[in-house]
Amino acid sequence: GENVEQHPSTLSVQEGDSAVIKCTYSDSASNYFPWYKQELGKGPQLIIDIRSNVGEKKDQRIAVTLNKTAKHFSLHITETQPEDSAVYFCAASRATSGTYKYIFGTGTRLKVLA
Amino acid sequence: NAGVTQTPKFRVLKTGQSMTLLCAQDMNHEYMYWYRQDPGMGLRLIHYSVGEGTTAKGEVPDGYNVSRLKKQNFLLGLESAAPSQTSVYFCASSYSRQGGRWNEQFFGPGTRLTVL
Repeated sequence: GENVEQHPSTLSVQEGDSAVIKCTYSDSASNYFPWYKQELGKGPQLIIDIRSNVGEKKDQRIAVTLNKTAKHFSLHITETQPEDSAVYFCAASRATSGTYKYIFGTGTRLKVLA
Repeated sequence: NAGVTQTPKFRVLKTGQSMTLLCAQDMNHEYMYWYRQDPGMGLRLIHYSVGEGTTAKGEVPDGYNVSRLKKQNFLLGLESAAPSQTSVYFCASSYSRQGGRWNEQFFGPGTRLTVL
């Protein structure tokens, strides 16, 4: 079946440095790729997303890149801050039965060290 | 706007007991989803619904049943709980195709369930 691989599983960076999380998907029909941030004890929250007709998208300190040929996409966080510490999930999806069903990666625990 | 709410927040069950988890959303979303989150496995889809009165199986449906009698509510039932169902359960909802950003799923705060 479809799957999404996410690396690394944990990532520690110094405050102010950049962080990069990478995901690879298997379903070539996937056309929507969201990234979610999950803080301790809370539900995941969407932070950025990208569609398959776009190669890169940026929103302030976060950006996502997509390489459809290689079937991988990445999350980039620049100038990291302590409040960026959380678990980040990527997902790949395509429309099925009238809705989008997500296949999630296994998550990356990001620690920003002050 | 409360968004997506889940009841209860925590629950401990004994093997064989039954329970129902309630999800409610006040955003008039057509679509609703139940996921489970286990360490090292991300979130996996259990069941979903594309509208009132409809349900469909996701990736890991065995041992669970769902009902969507009202548009704003999506119930997840465990008829005979097993230790393998110890997990954190998340509900999510999203717009329909006609509702704008219909790709984005909004998540609730989760229910932590332990089955002894």
